[in-house]
Amino acid sequence: GAGVSQSPRYKVAKRGQDVALRCDPISGHVSLFWYQQALGQGPEFLTYFQNEAQLDKSGLPSDRFFAERPEGSVSTLKIQRTQQEDSAVYLCASSLRGQGYGYTFGSGTRLTVV
Amino acid sequence: QKEVEQNSGPLSVPEGAIASLNCTYSDRGSQSFFWYRQYSGKSPELIMSIYSNGDKEDGRFTAQLNKASQYVSLLIRDSQPSDSATYLCAVRGGATNKLIFGTGTLLAVQP
Repeated sequence: GAGVSQSPRYKVAKRGQDVALRCDPISGHVSLFWYQQALGQGPEFLTYFQNEAQLDKSGLPSDRFFAERPEGSVSTLKIQRTQQEDSAVYLCASSLRGQGYGYTFGSGTRLTVV
Repeated sequence: QKEVEQNSGPLSVPEGAIASLNCTYSDRGSQSFFWYRQYSGKSPELIMSIYSNGDKEDGRFTAQLNKASQYVSLLIRDSQPSDSATYLCAVRGGATNKLIFGTGTLLAVQP
């Protein structure tokens, strides 16, 4: 597609509920990244895929967070048993392969856990 | 020490002035440096990238890199109220493909 598409734009979850956030990257972008952005903070790295391979998941805050990209295109970030501290904007970005390329971000999913 | 540090601001400049935004980073092996603009409630938008020491100009924007001092800056000439946003500095390390972001500097351009 023309840009990185994320859905849903907003999600309200009750504490303890599982949520799934979707990201559809720019066509041809092999690299896909998930970031978490709390209010007033910069984006914090969660995980990185190159095609279907998850090459870095060092930023996932706990084992309640899981990401996949089974066919090297669409990715899903799943959060199990949501907690209030999970409330944030979850940003997906994609880029071409290589060190010199910046990311293109999607519009993000604002998750509020109540 | 955070990996990428920025003054959170707000930085207030009058319309037409030069806005100077600064960023320092800790990883000496860092290879690529980026500036993103983020309007309130929106996602970050890439505005500049720089990879070698010196200045890089694009329209009203100039990025400056000094690897010896581990310092990156962004100058915005002829600042406009529409430039009011948070500016995020991002650094890509030598051994990784991920970007590390600073907390951002809030710029307010006063009409």
